[in-house]
Amino acid sequence: GAGVSQSPRYKVAKRGQDVALRCDPISGHVSLFWYQQALGQGPEFLTYFQNEAQLDKSGLPSDRFFAERPEGSVSTLKIQRTQQEDSAVYLCASSFGQGYADTQYFGPGTRLTVL
Amino acid sequence: DQQVKQNSPSLSVQEGRISILNCDYTNSMFDYFLWYKKYPAEGPTFLISISSIKDKNEDGRFTVFLNKSAKHLSLHIVPSQPGDSAVYFCAASRGDGNKLVFGAGTILRVKS
Repeated sequence: GAGVSQSPRYKVAKRGQDVALRCDPISGHVSLFWYQQALGQGPEFLTYFQNEAQLDKSGLPSDRFFAERPEGSVSTLKIQRTQQEDSAVYLCASSFGQGYADTQYFGPGTRLTVL
Repeated sequence: DQQVKQNSPSLSVQEGRISILNCDYTNSMFDYFLWYKKYPAEGPTFLISISSIKDKNEDGRFTVFLNKSAKHLSLHIVPSQPGDSAVYFCAASRGDGNKLVFGAGTILRVKS
């Protein structure tokens, strides 16, 4: 079946603009994760959903970052008043179950550039 | 603080030889470890994993070794193929959580 999809694939924003990044997980996957990958680094955890419940948002860098998954499927990561340090690739991943050993399947990411 | 470290930014190997990628971790609470492979403009793809109750897991050409006392794991690829050229990320998770903690990655180049 289809993998995790993300849109847009590329986004350029002027500093101070709000952006919204979308993630469509694999159908039926309970768990959904957002990660941020800076240039030359590995992905860093932002937040985790189990169905529609946001169970862990410890990685969100500031209150400008907000994520939701209202119906337990599609998720949106919103960044308000973007700043240059927000420039990164934002990766979404989903897994079938809720266990820590469940394989996370990643989407292609959204590359955000803040000018 | 980097809890998962991949100290080699890059590795170059001849086709047919063994590739060995290394990873060290500092958090003794980690009990599940994974390797992901990433091609440019794509998301990471799961490769192989190992639980802390094992010291070796094998899947075809890929073998992961875990040394808990040294807090070290390695990925062996034998034989290496040009299509294996990619960035390899080591990741770890804890039994009481779901998030993955990644290393910075190692670029593997397999020369034909």
